[in-house]
Amino acid sequence: AQSVTQLGSHVSVSEGALVLLRCNYSSSVPPYLFWYVQYPNQGLQLLLKYTSAATLVKGINGFEAEFKKSETSFHLTKPSAHMSDAAEYFCAVTTYNQGGKLIFGQGTELSVKP
Amino acid sequence: GAGVSQTPSNKVTEKGKYVELRCDPISGHTALYWYRQSLGQGPEFLIYFQGTGAADDSGLPNDRFFAVRPEGSVSTLKIQRTERGDSAVYLCASSSKPGGLDEQFFGPGTRLTVL
Repeated sequence: AQSVTQLGSHVSVSEGALVLLRCNYSSSVPPYLFWYVQYPNQGLQLLLKYTSAATLVKGINGFEAEFKKSETSFHLTKPSAHMSDAAEYFCAVTTYNQGGKLIFGQGTELSVKP
Repeated sequence: GAGVSQTPSNKVTEKGKYVELRCDPISGHTALYWYRQSLGQGPEFLIYFQGTGAADDSGLPNDRFFAVRPEGSVSTLKIQRTERGDSAVYLCASSSKPGGLDEQFFGPGTRLTVL
């Protein structure tokens, strides 16, 4: 079985500061990892995904994440936060034999202060 | 439509009643997923369709929950004898490729409130 742990249910940064949202996973087979963003009253939107190609993955809106097998981590980063980045972020995992069934973490709410 | 749509957007019902939630996936998407998101939690998988058949229904919490996709497009999630604990946002997602390693596109959800 797979699982995801997101450390920190709330993260607050200043505009222009580094964004770091933490995600650790557990999987007995090679994982496929995703980050989704959820803006208020909107559906989940894919930011980026790791599916066993390059370990450093670049996504939309300047976000990127690095797959580190030795640390079982897939942390999300952005060099400079914008006010528009304020949202809920979810890390998710699946594997090749799960039919795409996503196992989500609890989510991290990102606040950006002016 | 351009994206996944879900109706109704909000549903308020009384304990013990029956409800149906509808999902219209992106045209041509063969894979369809239902998830449930409780307040302050991440989405939880309920069921996955590949075409008309339920390929994985391991996430359905009990036999009060049932879902269909008779023509391989629109799907309906049905909940019998609703309980207050069923209150949540029900999310639908679709994907263009079998297996679902491709992006899942999510609808805005149906917020179900059981009084």
